[in-house]
Amino acid sequence: QKEVEQNSGPLSVPEGAIASLNCTYSDRGSQSFFWYRQYSGKSPELIMFIYSNGDKEDGRFTAQLNKASQYVSLLIRDSQPSDSATYLCAVNRDDKIIFGKGTRLHILP
Amino acid sequence: KAGVTQTPRYLIKTRGQQVTLSCSPISGHRSVSWYQQTPGQGLQFLFEYFSETQRNKGNFPGRFSGRQFSNSRSEMNVSTLELGDSALYLCASSLAGSETQYFGPGTRLLVL
Repeated sequence: QKEVEQNSGPLSVPEGAIASLNCTYSDRGSQSFFWYRQYSGKSPELIMFIYSNGDKEDGRFTAQLNKASQYVSLLIRDSQPSDSATYLCAVNRDDKIIFGKGTRLHILP
Repeated sequence: KAGVTQTPRYLIKTRGQQVTLSCSPISGHRSVSWYQQTPGQGLQFLFEYFSETQRNKGNFPGRFSGRQFSNSRSEMNVSTLELGDSALYLCASSLAGSETQYFGPGTRLLVL
């Protein structure tokens, strides 16, 4: 089992709709969880981090964490064409940041 | 404040050669991590340096090594290059005690 798993996509979402990105992780000891956005040809940039079970909201973004199910998700409300990118889920395991392979998101105008 | 810088941005080498990549972190950041990104394997952790000491290491062969200088700048070296080493090499810096990492633009290495 891979440490951090994401559906590679592409996930196509109409403009203005909610995009839902999912991630599962294998190590129950993981404490910190991150979502990075990576535009094509660019480097990753951190958009959200979450440590506790539940929801964390920041503008149009909501991160959700369920440690019992080992599941992290990212919701993007009112999706914009500029949200089209690859979204990388990452977890901190033993002070190493382990990344998933990312989900490609395509917002349809 | 200037971001993380990496040099060179592009590099072409042949098998068997060695290469050194450089990373200058954001001013005040003492932690530097290195990652390899390939289409097949995604973003993989290489190692992390803090205050000139390697604090953590990923599962890469000994051909991959690094170091950090007293000004927090870091270098990564790959010896005896293989075709499979072709990748985007990213470094990221963070403040001491913070998990928020800021990535540089990367060095794209092509091994022929």
